[in-house]
Amino acid sequence: AQSVAQPEDQVNVAEGNPLTVKCTYSVSGNPYLFWYVQYPNRGLQFLLKYITGDNLVKGSYGFEAEFNKSQTSFHLKKPSALVSDSALYFCAVRDEGGGFKTIFGAGTRLFVKA
Amino acid sequence: DAGVIQSPRHEVTEMGQEVTLRCKPISGHDYLFWYRQTMMRGLELLIYFNNNVPIDDSGMPEDRFSAKMPNASFSTLKIQPSEPRDSAVYFCASSPGLAGYNEQFFGPGTRLTVL
Repeated sequence: AQSVAQPEDQVNVAEGNPLTVKCTYSVSGNPYLFWYVQYPNRGLQFLLKYITGDNLVKGSYGFEAEFNKSQTSFHLKKPSALVSDSALYFCAVRDEGGGFKTIFGAGTRLFVKA
Repeated sequence: DAGVIQSPRHEVTEMGQEVTLRCKPISGHDYLFWYRQTMMRGLELLIYFNNNVPIDDSGMPEDRFSAKMPNASFSTLKIQPSEPRDSAVYFCASSPGLAGYNEQFFGPGTRLTVL
């Protein structure tokens, strides 16, 4: 069965510092991995995805994520955080052979302090 | 493109009443998903459709919930009768088909409060 874990409920970082939001996953086959962001009273917005190939994936708003197969992780990163990055971040996984069912993590709230 | 459209944005109803949530997916998208978001349970997939056909409804909590997609541009999620524990934000999302690695495009959600 597919599963996703986001071990931190909240991440606090100062503006200008690098940020990391952690995600680990479990699937039986090859994973498709996604990061989404949710701002207050809004739907989720797609940030980036890993399908295959280069382990470092670049996405919207300066975010990137690193796929690590041996550690089954897909951590979201940004070199320099902005106050406007404060939001709820979701990691999601889909099994390559599992159809279109996507499993979302519980979410991590990122708080960037000015 | 206007994106995924959901209506109403907010719904307040009393226990026992029927509730109908509506969704218009992005034109050309073959897949449509209904999710429920609560603080306790996070984001849960309720059901998804491919080309208007329900593919997986294993997430539908009870028989009180039903979903339909009569055509490619419209879907409904109905709760009858509603209960206070159904209070949540319900999201509709759509995705282009052909590849399982396509991302989903979410609507703004419907915040349902059942009194």
